[in-house]
Amino acid sequence: QVQLVQSGAAVKKPGASVKVSCKVSVDTFNTYDISWVRQAPGQGLEYMGWISPYNGITNYAQKFQGRVTMTTDTSTSTFYMEVKSLRSDDTAVYYCARRNTQWLFNDYWGQGTLVTVSS
Amino acid sequence: QSVLTQPPSVSGAPGQRVTISCTGSSSNIGAGFDVHWYQKIPGTAPKLLIYGNTNRPSGVPDRFSGSKSGTSASLAIAGLQAEDEADYYCQSYDSSLSGVFGGGTKLTVL
Repeated sequence: QVQLVQSGAAVKKPGASVKVSCKVSVDTFNTYDISWVRQAPGQGLEYMGWISPYNGITNYAQKFQGRVTMTTDTSTSTFYMEVKSLRSDDTAVYYCARRNTQWLFNDYWGQGTLVTVSS
Repeated sequence: QSVLTQPPSVSGAPGQRVTISCTGSSSNIGAGFDVHWYQKIPGTAPKLLIYGNTNRPSGVPDRFSGSKSGTSASLAIAGLQAEDEADYYCQSYDSSLSGVFGGGTKLTVL
């Protein structure tokens, strides 16, 4: 059974950073990319970017370039997504998703991590 | 504003057929990138419904179908059921290989 297990909810102050983790199986880590998608309250899905763990290639949506960093930890088959300089409109549920490298769809998703930015 | 345009809402009675459109441009759908569709129920993670424009993953009922033509794509749901009430999103890629979503369509089963 494919599982992506994300870290728990976080509350951050404006200007701080948050790092969300997404732990996958070794097979998934070695075979698939991971996408990061968020959904703010009452809003639609927003594609933040994706990362290929085997070649280190990352692709960030223009909106997030310079403020978001996606990384991996090979030793624990874990993906990370860090957002810096948090603002109130970064309050959202953040999802990681397994991305098929041939068709580029996202087939399995993490449970979501609520990040609340509030002073 | 989302890169891909979807109607904000559609509705239909049980048993009816509805379609949801997804309009892009020559920089994304029209450039040859595939369109994928997801179902999103509040409080749960998105679920893949259609991949590669027309393909259904295992376990997705054949009531769901997808198509693509030019710079647009469509999701059709036949034989509407109460459990189909959800938000639906199309997704593709742009020329910089960044993923893009439609704004989402809320389906109401009357």
